[in-house]
Amino acid sequence: GQQLNQSPQSMFIQEGEDVSMNCTSSSIFNTWLWYKQDPGEGPVLLIALYKAGELTSNGRLTAQFGITRKDSFLNISASIPSDVGIYFCAGQMASGSRLTFGEGTQLTVNP
Amino acid sequence: GAVVSQHPSRVICKSGTSVKIECRSLDFQATTMFWYRQFPKQSLMLMATSNEGSKATYEQGVEKDKFLINHASLTLSTLTVTSAHPEDSSFYICSARWGFSYNEQFFGPGTRLTVL
Repeated sequence: GQQLNQSPQSMFIQEGEDVSMNCTSSSIFNTWLWYKQDPGEGPVLLIALYKAGELTSNGRLTAQFGITRKDSFLNISASIPSDVGIYFCAGQMASGSRLTFGEGTQLTVNP
Repeated sequence: GAVVSQHPSRVICKSGTSVKIECRSLDFQATTMFWYRQFPKQSLMLMATSNEGSKATYEQGVEKDKFLINHASLTLSTLTVTSAHPEDSSFYICSARWGFSYNEQFFGPGTRLTVL
Protein backbone atom coordinates (compact mmCIF):
# COMPACT_ATOMS: atom_id res chain seq x y z
CA GLY A 1 0.00 0.00 0.00
CA GLN A 2 0.91 3.67 -0.04
CA GLN A 3 3.52 4.82 2.43
CA LEU A 4 4.54 8.16 3.78
CA ASN A 5 8.08 8.62 5.01
CA GLN A 6 8.02 10.92 8.00
CA SER A 7 11.16 12.29 9.61
CA PRO A 8 12.63 12.60 12.04
CA GLN A 9 11.23 9.74 14.12
CA SER A 10 11.95 11.63 17.32
CA MET A 11 13.26 14.98 18.44
CA PHE A 12 14.55 16.24 21.76
CA ILE A 13 14.70 20.02 21.98
CA GLN A 14 14.90 22.82 24.49
CA GLU A 15 11.97 25.06 25.23
CA GLY A 16 12.00 28.06 22.91
CA GLU A 17 13.64 26.28 19.99
CA ASP A 18 12.04 25.93 16.59
CA VAL A 19 11.13 22.49 15.22
CA SER A 20 10.76 21.18 11.71
CA MET A 21 9.47 17.82 10.51
CA ASN A 22 8.49 16.57 7.10
CA CYS A 23 6.78 13.87 5.11
CA THR A 24 7.59 12.59 1.68
CA SER A 25 5.87 10.18 -0.64
CA SER A 26 6.52 8.52 -3.96
CA SER A 27 2.91 9.23 -4.89
CA ILE A 28 1.05 12.47 -5.47
CA PHE A 29 -1.43 13.58 -2.84
CA ASN A 30 -4.07 16.26 -3.27
CA THR A 31 -4.54 16.85 0.46
CA TRP A 32 -2.07 16.92 3.33
CA LEU A 33 -3.14 16.95 6.96
CA TRP A 34 -1.08 17.33 10.11
CA TYR A 35 -2.27 15.85 13.43
CA LYS A 36 -0.96 15.84 16.98
CA GLN A 37 -1.59 12.94 19.34
CA ASP A 38 -1.15 13.14 23.10
CA PRO A 39 -0.63 9.90 25.10
CA GLY A 40 -3.84 7.93 25.43
CA GLU A 41 -5.77 10.32 23.21
CA GLY A 42 -6.93 10.44 19.62
CA PRO A 43 -5.17 12.61 17.03
CA VAL A 44 -6.20 16.26 16.85
CA LEU A 45 -6.18 18.04 13.51
CA LEU A 46 -3.68 20.91 13.42
CA ILE A 47 -3.53 22.06 9.82
CA ALA A 48 -5.13 21.01 6.53
CA LEU A 49 -3.53 21.79 3.16
CA TYR A 50 -5.39 21.50 -0.13
CA LYS A 51 -3.27 23.21 -2.78
CA ALA A 52 0.27 22.65 -4.03
CA GLY A 53 2.52 25.40 -2.70
CA GLU A 54 0.02 26.39 -0.02
CA LEU A 55 1.54 27.74 3.18
CA THR A 56 -0.80 27.80 6.16
CA SER A 57 -0.29 28.90 9.75
CA ASN A 58 -2.11 28.05 12.95
CA GLY A 59 -0.59 30.07 15.78
CA ARG A 60 3.01 28.96 16.18
CA LEU A 61 2.53 26.17 13.64
CA THR A 62 3.20 26.56 9.93
CA ALA A 63 2.77 23.86 7.31
CA GLN A 64 3.38 23.79 3.60
CA PHE A 65 2.10 21.63 0.77
CA GLY A 66 5.05 20.86 -1.48
CA ILE A 67 5.05 22.05 -5.07
CA THR A 68 5.55 18.50 -6.35
CA ARG A 69 2.54 17.39 -4.24
CA LYS A 70 4.71 14.60 -2.87
CA ASP A 71 5.82 16.25 0.33
CA SER A 72 4.81 18.51 3.19
CA PHE A 73 6.52 20.00 6.20
CA LEU A 74 5.42 21.27 9.58
CA ASN A 75 7.28 23.91 11.56
CA ILE A 76 6.71 24.78 15.20
CA SER A 77 8.23 28.03 16.38
CA ALA A 78 9.25 28.91 19.93
CA SER A 79 8.37 25.48 21.32
CA ILE A 80 6.76 25.15 24.74
CA PRO A 81 6.41 22.10 27.02
CA SER A 82 2.81 21.45 25.93
CA ASP A 83 4.04 20.86 22.38
CA VAL A 84 5.18 17.43 23.57
CA GLY A 85 3.44 14.62 21.72
CA ILE A 86 3.45 12.63 18.51
CA TYR A 87 2.91 14.50 15.26
CA PHE A 88 1.50 12.63 12.29
CA CYS A 89 1.26 13.70 8.70
CA ALA A 90 -1.53 12.22 6.60
CA GLY A 91 -2.06 12.36 2.87
CA GLN A 92 -5.10 11.81 0.73
CA MET A 93 -4.82 10.96 -2.94
CA ALA A 94 -8.32 11.91 -4.02
CA SER A 95 -11.44 13.41 -2.52
CA GLY A 96 -13.23 10.86 -0.40
CA SER A 97 -10.36 8.38 -0.37
CA ARG A 98 -8.70 7.04 2.75
CA LEU A 99 -5.94 8.80 4.63
CA THR A 100 -2.42 7.43 4.54
CA PHE A 101 -0.51 8.19 7.73
CA GLY A 102 3.16 8.75 8.32
CA GLU A 103 4.93 6.88 11.10
CA GLY A 104 4.90 9.88 13.40
CA THR A 105 7.46 12.20 14.98
CA GLN A 106 7.81 12.00 18.76
CA LEU A 107 8.59 15.47 20.09
CA THR A 108 10.08 16.01 23.54
CA VAL A 109 10.53 19.57 24.83
CA ASN A 110 12.80 20.09 27.79
CA PRO A 111 11.87 23.08 30.00
CA GLY B 1 -17.25 22.18 16.38
CA ALA B 2 -16.39 18.78 14.82
CA VAL B 3 -16.34 16.82 18.07
CA VAL B 4 -16.21 13.05 18.06
CA SER B 5 -16.71 11.00 21.20
CA GLN B 6 -16.00 7.36 21.99
CA HIS B 7 -17.34 5.12 24.70
CA PRO B 8 -15.97 3.48 26.69
CA SER B 9 -12.57 5.09 26.99
CA ARG B 10 -11.13 2.00 28.59
CA VAL B 11 -12.37 -1.58 28.83
CA ILE B 12 -10.95 -4.75 30.29
CA CYS B 13 -12.61 -8.03 29.40
CA LYS B 14 -12.06 -11.75 29.64
CA SER B 15 -10.93 -13.78 26.68
CA GLY B 16 -13.89 -15.07 24.66
CA THR B 17 -16.25 -12.23 25.45
CA SER B 18 -17.47 -9.56 23.04
CA VAL B 19 -16.91 -5.84 23.46
CA LYS B 20 -18.82 -3.01 21.82
CA ILE B 21 -17.26 0.40 21.26
CA GLU B 22 -19.40 3.40 20.29
CA CYS B 23 -18.31 6.35 18.17
CA ARG B 24 -20.49 9.45 18.00
CA SER B 25 -20.22 12.68 16.08
CA LEU B 26 -21.62 15.24 18.52
CA ASP B 27 -22.11 18.37 16.46
CA PHE B 28 -22.22 17.22 12.85
CA GLN B 29 -23.61 14.46 10.70
CA ALA B 30 -20.98 11.97 9.69
CA THR B 31 -21.68 10.31 6.38
CA THR B 32 -18.47 8.33 6.75
CA MET B 33 -16.77 6.95 9.83
CA PHE B 34 -13.46 5.15 10.03
CA TRP B 35 -12.11 2.67 12.53
CA TYR B 36 -8.40 2.50 13.26
CA ARG B 37 -6.22 0.36 15.43
CA GLN B 38 -2.99 1.60 16.97
CA PHE B 39 -0.28 -0.42 18.69
CA PRO B 40 2.18 1.23 21.10
CA LYS B 41 4.65 3.53 19.40
CA GLN B 42 3.12 2.86 15.99
CA SER B 43 1.03 4.78 13.53
CA LEU B 44 -2.69 4.36 12.95
CA MET B 45 -3.80 1.36 10.94
CA LEU B 46 -7.10 1.65 9.11
CA MET B 47 -9.37 -1.29 9.83
CA ALA B 48 -12.55 -0.35 7.99
CA THR B 49 -14.55 2.44 6.40
CA SER B 50 -18.19 2.76 7.30
CA ASN B 51 -20.79 4.71 5.34
CA GLU B 52 -24.14 5.41 6.94
CA GLY B 53 -26.75 2.86 5.95
CA SER B 54 -24.44 0.52 4.09
CA LYS B 55 -22.03 -2.29 4.88
CA ALA B 56 -18.56 -1.41 6.03
CA THR B 57 -15.57 -1.83 3.76
CA TYR B 58 -12.80 -3.72 5.50
CA GLU B 59 -9.10 -3.41 4.84
CA GLN B 60 -7.16 -6.43 3.71
CA GLY B 61 -6.35 -8.74 6.59
CA VAL B 62 -9.11 -7.44 8.87
CA GLU B 63 -11.68 -10.12 9.70
CA LYS B 64 -15.15 -8.72 9.18
CA ASP B 65 -16.76 -11.47 11.28
CA LYS B 66 -14.51 -10.63 14.19
CA PHE B 67 -14.76 -6.85 13.98
CA LEU B 68 -18.43 -6.10 13.40
CA ILE B 69 -19.18 -2.54 12.36
CA ASN B 70 -22.58 -0.92 12.32
CA HIS B 71 -23.26 2.63 11.11
CA ALA B 72 -27.00 2.89 11.58
CA SER B 73 -27.28 6.66 11.85
CA LEU B 74 -25.42 9.76 10.76
CA THR B 75 -24.07 10.28 14.26
CA LEU B 76 -23.31 6.78 15.52
CA SER B 77 -21.07 3.91 14.49
CA THR B 78 -20.25 0.89 16.61
CA LEU B 79 -17.37 -1.57 16.52
CA THR B 80 -17.93 -4.93 18.19
CA VAL B 81 -14.90 -7.10 18.85
CA THR B 82 -16.33 -10.59 18.97
CA SER B 83 -14.78 -13.46 20.95
CA ALA B 84 -11.92 -11.22 22.00
CA HIS B 85 -8.47 -12.66 22.58
CA PRO B 86 -5.38 -11.13 24.20
CA GLU B 87 -3.92 -10.31 20.79
CA ASP B 88 -6.92 -8.03 20.19
CA SER B 89 -5.70 -5.79 22.99
CA SER B 90 -4.99 -2.43 21.43
CA PHE B 91 -6.01 1.23 21.17
CA TYR B 92 -9.04 1.59 18.90
CA ILE B 93 -9.77 5.02 17.44
CA CYS B 94 -12.66 6.15 15.30
CA SER B 95 -12.83 9.17 13.05
CA ALA B 96 -15.67 10.88 11.25
CA ARG B 97 -16.07 12.93 8.11
CA TRP B 98 -19.14 14.97 7.20
CA GLY B 99 -19.20 14.60 3.47
CA PHE B 100 -17.82 12.31 0.82
CA SER B 101 -15.80 15.03 -0.84
CA TYR B 102 -14.80 16.66 2.42
CA ASN B 103 -11.30 15.59 3.26
CA GLU B 104 -10.81 16.41 6.92
CA GLN B 105 -11.31 13.61 9.40
CA PHE B 106 -11.93 14.29 13.07
CA PHE B 107 -10.86 11.68 15.55
CA GLY B 108 -12.40 10.40 18.74
CA PRO B 109 -10.35 10.11 21.95
CA GLY B 110 -9.80 6.38 21.51
CA THR B 111 -10.70 3.24 23.46
CA ARG B 112 -8.07 1.19 25.23
CA LEU B 113 -9.07 -2.49 25.06
CA THR B 114 -7.32 -5.02 27.28
CA VAL B 115 -8.26 -8.66 26.92
CA LEU B 116 -7.16 -10.90 29.77
